[in-house]
Amino acid sequence: AQRVTQPEKLLSVFKGAPVELKCNYSYSGSPELFWYVQYSRQRLQLLLRHISRESIKGFTADLNKGETSFHLKKPFAQEEDSAMYYCALWAAGNKLTFGGGTRVLVKP
Amino acid sequence: EAGVAQSPRYKIIEKRQSVAFWCNPISGHATLYWYQQILGQGPKLLIQFQNNGVVDDSQLPKDRFSAERLKGVDSTLKIQPAKLEDSAVYLCASSLREAGASPYEQYFGPGTRLTVT
Repeated sequence: AQRVTQPEKLLSVFKGAPVELKCNYSYSGSPELFWYVQYSRQRLQLLLRHISRESIKGFTADLNKGETSFHLKKPFAQEEDSAMYYCALWAAGNKLTFGGGTRVLVKP
Repeated sequence: EAGVAQSPRYKIIEKRQSVAFWCNPISGHATLYWYQQILGQGPKLLIQFQNNGVVDDSQLPKDRFSAERLKGVDSTLKIQPAKLEDSAVYLCASSLREAGASPYEQYFGPGTRLTVT
């Protein structure tokens, strides 16, 4: 069975500091990994997917198949990055599986 | 374009009562999803439709939950009778992509927060 683990429930950082959200997954095949974000009073939305290899709002994430990880990173956190972040996994023939989420609080 | 609409936004009921949620997807989106998000957890897929057919309902507690999408557009999710553990946010999402394709273009609604007392 596929599973996504986000070990940190809360990450608190100061503005301008780097932030890294951890995501580990278990799946034996070749999954597709995503990061979703939910800002306060807004809808859940896609932030980035590993296939696109883009940097969105300064965030990047690299899929490490050896360590089965897909950590999300930003070198300089901004106050507007405060939100809930969910890592998710999908594989053909399966459903989208979310991790438990990490709340990021960026302090001024 | 208008986003996914859901109603009601909030609902409080007593255990053993019934409740129904409504979802209107983005126009033209053939695939529709219902998720349950319990406090402190990520969303969990309950059921997935493509047009008016069920693609995946393996995680739907069918003894009390039911869902339909009769005309391939709007959908309703019903709980009868509700239990305390059904307290959660129920999210609806829709996608232009077919069921079975990568779900990266899913658009989520605002959710319905259900409290069962």
